Amino acid sequence: EAGVAQSPRYKIIEKRQSVAFWCNPISGHATLYWYQQILGQGPKLLIQFQNNGVVDDSQLPKDRFSAERLKGVDSTLKIQPAKLEDSAVYLCASSFLSSYNSPLHFGNGTRLTVT
Amino acid sequence: DAKTTQPTSMDCAEGRAANLPCNHSTISGNEYVYWYRQIHSQGPQYIIHGLKNNETNEMASLIITEDRKSSTLILPHATLRDTAVYYCIVSEIHGSGNTGKLIFGQGTTLQVKP
Repeated sequence: EAGVAQSPRYKIIEKRQSVAFWCNPISGHATLYWYQQILGQGPKLLIQFQNNGVVDDSQLPKDRFSAERLKGVDSTLKIQPAKLEDSAVYLCASSFLSSYNSPLHFGNGTRLTVT
Repeated sequence: DAKTTQPTSMDCAEGRAANLPCNHSTISGNEYVYWYRQIHSQGPQYIIHGLKNNETNEMASLIITEDRKSSTLILPHATLRDTAVYYCIVSEIHGSGNTGKLIFGQGTTLQVKP
């Protein structure tokens, strides 16, 4: 099966600019996650979708971050305006909702550098 | 916050078994133990998970103590390609009102040496 696709692979922007990341999950996976991974740390959950509804966005900095999952498939994560501390790898993951043995499948992420 | 404690780093000789420990003393009865690993510049990869019985798959074995307060991931014959950060996570299975989200800690950096 095809894996989780993310684009772009790398992005460099200046602070106060805007940026968007795109994720295409594995076909049939109802649950989609966005994680932020700062260098040297484990991934931190930003937001979780089930189909096109938000399940958990308690760790999402809503003053600057937004995410949507239209039609319950692809998702975009946006940062506006970016800060230096937003420099990180943004990982998208998906899972099949109701399967006991269904782990999270991660994409390879988008590395964001804010200068 | 992560509910697990792992050593920061470990070394293992190529071809030998790698035993990665994890403490999860506050684990509750409906929480599972998951292991993921992350190779440099890639996203995390699922390895194995279990509730209370020992589990084995083509990648690794998971040994969970009887009181479930700790576990060990075993890579039976480590290769250089197993060099990665290994994350031990406790979480409830997705469903029945649980979100199934995974909270990652710092993990253990395993260096497999020739």
